[in-house]
Amino acid sequence: EVQLVESGGGLVKPGGSLRLSCAASGSTFSNAWMSWVRQAPGKGLEWVGRIESKTDGGTIDYAAPVKGRFTISRDDSKNTLYLQMNSLKTEDTAVYYCRLWFGELYGFDLWGQGTLVTVFS
Amino acid sequence: SYELTQPSSVSVSPGQTARITCSGDVLAKKYVRWFQQKPGQAPVLVIYKDIERPSGIPERFSGSSSGTTVTLTISGAQVEDEADFYCYSAPDNNLEVFGGGTKLTVL
Repeated sequence: EVQLVESGGGLVKPGGSLRLSCAASGSTFSNAWMSWVRQAPGKGLEWVGRIESKTDGGTIDYAAPVKGRFTISRDDSKNTLYLQMNSLKTEDTAVYYCRLWFGELYGFDLWGQGTLVTVFS
Repeated sequence: SYELTQPSSVSVSPGQTARITCSGDVLAKKYVRWFQQKPGQAPVLVIYKDIERPSGIPERFSGSSSGTTVTLTISGAQVEDEADFYCYSAPDNNLEVFGGGTKLTVL
């Protein structure tokens, strides 16, 4: 059974940096598309960015609020997804979820339990 | 920009049918997914490709599509179905969008 476990969340001051990790168990990671989605306290889901599988081109895309500050990467040899967050703002405070899926045609769509990032001064 | 619009809340009694809509121009061309999120938990996929149900999701969950509006229907809603529901689409090759979410109350 595939599972996703996020780590790396915590408290950080505005302007600071943090790197989140998402470790996947199972053998499907390299073929999967991986996304980061965040949820501010009491708010809805917000897409952060996505990295396609290498076989599908490996394209990386970001939502406008994080473009230029956040970087998504993956290490398929370690079954791990990363989110490097720089120049953090108070509005980046949220639970960050990683998501594993295979594109819109497929019904497998797995999320991790989330990791909380709090940006405050 | 692309937007998906959902009602903020829907309320039904147990055993009744709950319908949650999601509207957006992009939905005429792109598939929608529906996610259920219970308090303190990660979202769970309940519908994909507008109408398909993943394995393990109860048959009372169904989806339909008409033009620029898609609908999630829960037939015979149960108390344990109470949750926030989000529609989702990828309107562009480099963009993904969630609806604002609908709080379903079953009481």
